[in-house]
Amino acid sequence: DAGVIQSPRHEVTEMGQEVTLRCKPISGHNSLFWYRQTMMRGLELLIYFNNNVPIDDSGMPEDRFSAKMPNASFSTLKIQPSEPRDSAVYFCASSLDPPQPQHFGDGTRLSIL
Amino acid sequence: GQQLNQSPQSMFIQEGEDVSMNCTSSSIFNTWLWYKQDPGEGPVLLIALYKAGELTSNGRLTAQFGITRKDSFLNISASIPSDVGIYFCAGLRMDSSYKLIFGSGTRLLVRP
Repeated sequence: DAGVIQSPRHEVTEMGQEVTLRCKPISGHNSLFWYRQTMMRGLELLIYFNNNVPIDDSGMPEDRFSAKMPNASFSTLKIQPSEPRDSAVYFCASSLDPPQPQHFGDGTRLSIL
Repeated sequence: GQQLNQSPQSMFIQEGEDVSMNCTSSSIFNTWLWYKQDPGEGPVLLIALYKAGELTSNGRLTAQFGITRKDSFLNISASIPSDVGIYFCAGLRMDSSYKLIFGSGTRLLVRP
């Protein structure tokens, strides 16, 4: 079975550019999570969707970050404008209704120059 | 920030040895999960625990949900080179059904 699919796997762009990360959750999962992983802070939850509705976006660092889930099989995380401190690995995860375990994609490694 | 204390931070062991790692917290958790992360990949779920005292195995891996609900343990028996990676504990507190709290990880290296 296909797991969580993220694209792109790697993104290198210049400061100030818009960045869009994409995620396809596991089919049938109704909960979707965006995380950011850095050496300093580990894995941090950015936003949680349930049935395509944002439930908790308290982890979104700034207004430069936005996330959407237009349907059950697709979500985007957008950073505009991007800054060097946004460089990190961004993971998408999905699950059935919590507290069912979350399953992670392979991440997008983002580098902002 | 992270609220789980995971130890050890790293381990360098000989192939065939057993491995133990644990996570502790001052908070009570309803669910404990153990993940493994390989370089360049996302965390992969190894074991999920839902009840205090629960002991669950997955092949050579065994994990336990502490009786106090504040800790969990992961054991790997007869380690092999492909066990190399970073192991994370994660827990769900009683006040949230979805906000996973992660440990800082245990980096495991296995000497063939």
